[in-house]
Amino acid sequence: TQLLEQSPQFLSIQEGENLTVYCNSSSVFSSLQWYRQEPGEGPVLLVTVVTGGEVKKLKRLTFQFGDARKDSSLHITAAQPGDTGLYLCAGEGGNTDKLIFGTGTRLQVFP
Amino acid sequence: NAGVTQTPKFRILKIGQSMTLQCTQDMNHNYMYWYRQDPGMGLKLIYYSVGAGITDKGEVPNGYNVSRSTTEDFPLRLELAAPSQTSVYFCASSFPGQGREQYFGPGTRLTVT
Repeated sequence: TQLLEQSPQFLSIQEGENLTVYCNSSSVFSSLQWYRQEPGEGPVLLVTVVTGGEVKKLKRLTFQFGDARKDSSLHITAAQPGDTGLYLCAGEGGNTDKLIFGTGTRLQVFP
Repeated sequence: NAGVTQTPKFRILKIGQSMTLQCTQDMNHNYMYWYRQDPGMGLKLIYYSVGAGITDKGEVPNGYNVSRSTTEDFPLRLELAAPSQTSVYFCASSFPGQGREQYFGPGTRLTVT
């Protein structure tokens, strides 16, 4: 069974701070996605990474896929209250049509 | 495009009752999925479908059934509701292919008492 563990589970920070969220597995994934979910809504895709070692930047968010394609990280620079939400990583296996979702990191950014 | 729509938004069931959660997408996606999300947790796959007439089990299929008679619709059926099925249910759809984005509906919050 493929599992994706995220850490930390909860994170409360002040506006302007930096943070990193980790997504780890013992399994290899062909691609990995990060979603953000706001209260009362479904998850929305932020980014997809497909190549080991790949780094993608979206404004203040930096995503990295591990060289072995077993782990990923999300770094947020100068967090803002609008970044508040549940961050979910999701890995795609080799020959499956399914995503395996991580356990989630709930981020709260205070003004 | 409306995207993925789900009905109802909220529902309270008594133990042993049955209900169908509706899901419709208008993006002509081949793949559709049903997930459940327990409080503060990630998503667990219940069932999925790669096209009309084709369905398969996910991680947690017990107590649920699905059908896919059209590309657009993917209803989820709970036959004998149990308190363990209290959760938020999300439907999603996507095109096939590596790294494809899944588009999610707004969810149905179900309470079984």
